[in-house]
Amino acid sequence: DVKVTQSSRYLVKRTGEKVFLECVQDMDHENMFWYRQDPGLGLRLIYFSYDVKMKEKGDIPEGYSVSREKKERFSLILESASTNQTSMYLCASSAQGALWAQHFGDGTRLSIL
Amino acid sequence: AQSVTQLGSHVSVSEGALVLLRCNYSSSVPPYLFWYVQYPNQGLQLLLKYTTGATLVKGINGFEAEFKKSETSFHLTKPSAHMSDAAEYFCAVSDRGAQKLVFGQGTRLTINP
Repeated sequence: DVKVTQSSRYLVKRTGEKVFLECVQDMDHENMFWYRQDPGLGLRLIYFSYDVKMKEKGDIPEGYSVSREKKERFSLILESASTNQTSMYLCASSAQGALWAQHFGDGTRLSIL
Repeated sequence: AQSVTQLGSHVSVSEGALVLLRCNYSSSVPPYLFWYVQYPNQGLQLLLKYTTGATLVKGINGFEAEFKKSETSFHLTKPSAHMSDAAEYFCAVSDRGAQKLVFGQGTRLTINP
């Protein structure tokens, strides 16, 4: 079965820390995405990547960066965590040309104290 | 710019009753439209999609949706609700050739016994 794995289900960090969220997919997908999910706001796209070492800003990239050194792995980095980045983070992947068929991980619930 | 509006952040129906979740979109060109479902503590799964062709599309678990261009709507229905349908549902839109999806705010569906 296809799988998108996020490294942590729950994570607690402190303000100012550098935080890494990791995502791995086993489907050889070209496209990978990072979203944050907040009540009443739905999913908002932070960054996406359509190839190794390629990245594109989504709708809310401020305060975040990403890294894609290998095709199967897409990392989200909070350079200096702030309390307003407390949220659920979802990673997804899709094959090239099948943007809509996004496979999602189970999410990481991140709390910044 | 594309946008999606889901009417009603919470919908509650009785088991066996009709489920109707509303979605309206704005797009300057004919869109692709999607419904995703998120069960508790899980990522999103694709429920159904409209790209071209028949405007009434059927998805998994007995759900269907109809694309109505004149009303810019893509409402999700199921004739008879089941307890297992309790979840959060997201409508999404993309332009043809776009690299990303735009999600609505989500509707939480509760099924009463």
